[in-house]
Amino acid sequence: EIVLTQSPATLSLSPGERATLSCRASQSVSSYLAWYQQKPGQAPRLLIYDASNRATGIPARFSGSGSGTDFTLTISSLEPEDFAVYYCQQRSNRPDTFGQGTKLEIK
Amino acid sequence: EVQLVESGGGLVKPGGSLRLSCAASGFTFSSYSMNWVRQAPGKGLEWVSSISSSSSYIYYADSVKGRFTISRDNAKNSLYLQMNSLRAEDTAVYYCAREGVRFSGSPYYFDYWGQGTLVTVSS
Repeated sequence: EIVLTQSPATLSLSPGERATLSCRASQSVSSYLAWYQQKPGQAPRLLIYDASNRATGIPARFSGSGSGTDFTLTISSLEPEDFAVYYCQQRSNRPDTFGQGTKLEIK
Repeated sequence: EVQLVESGGGLVKPGGSLRLSCAASGFTFSSYSMNWVRQAPGKGLEWVSSISSSSSYIYYADSVKGRFTISRDNAKNSLYLQMNSLRAEDTAVYYCAREGVRFSGSPYYFDYWGQGTLVTVSS
């Protein structure tokens, strides 16, 4: 099973700042990685798929990069609604696995 | 508008059974693979099971293999999860999710999710 390790566990930033979230895989997942955003009491929402493709309706301030084992989700300028938990997911090998999440909180 | 609505959650004793349903609307259900993903209280996401559009391919997480059964009824636009021999560690919100988007040649990703249904296993 591929293990995804997200860092940091918690990221404290202010609106307007740039956020950089990391996801590292225990073995190569090629580009088969997605990012999801989850707010309290809500279902996850797909942000980025295949490492760098924005899902429908996702603002341009969200971008993804990486391949192989190292991936990054970048939010260029934080809006108040961006404070949430973010998960990465790999679809390279079964079983699908998710990272443990990064909580993005307001500083 | 794509909608996924889960139901069937509740309180069940250890060793008991429960059947979850996911009603789909707003898209051609029979064309998409579907998944169940769960989230224990205060924890992260865990993939549980997937089923292809025609039920030809079915997969399970090791943690539920032999106890849970995924199925679908394309005529009723519905996805199911039969959960038997439930354990305390199965307590979670269960989401159904559609595999609906991909980049050329890549796997599909979970583009729509239901609101989830809570399963609590406790005596």
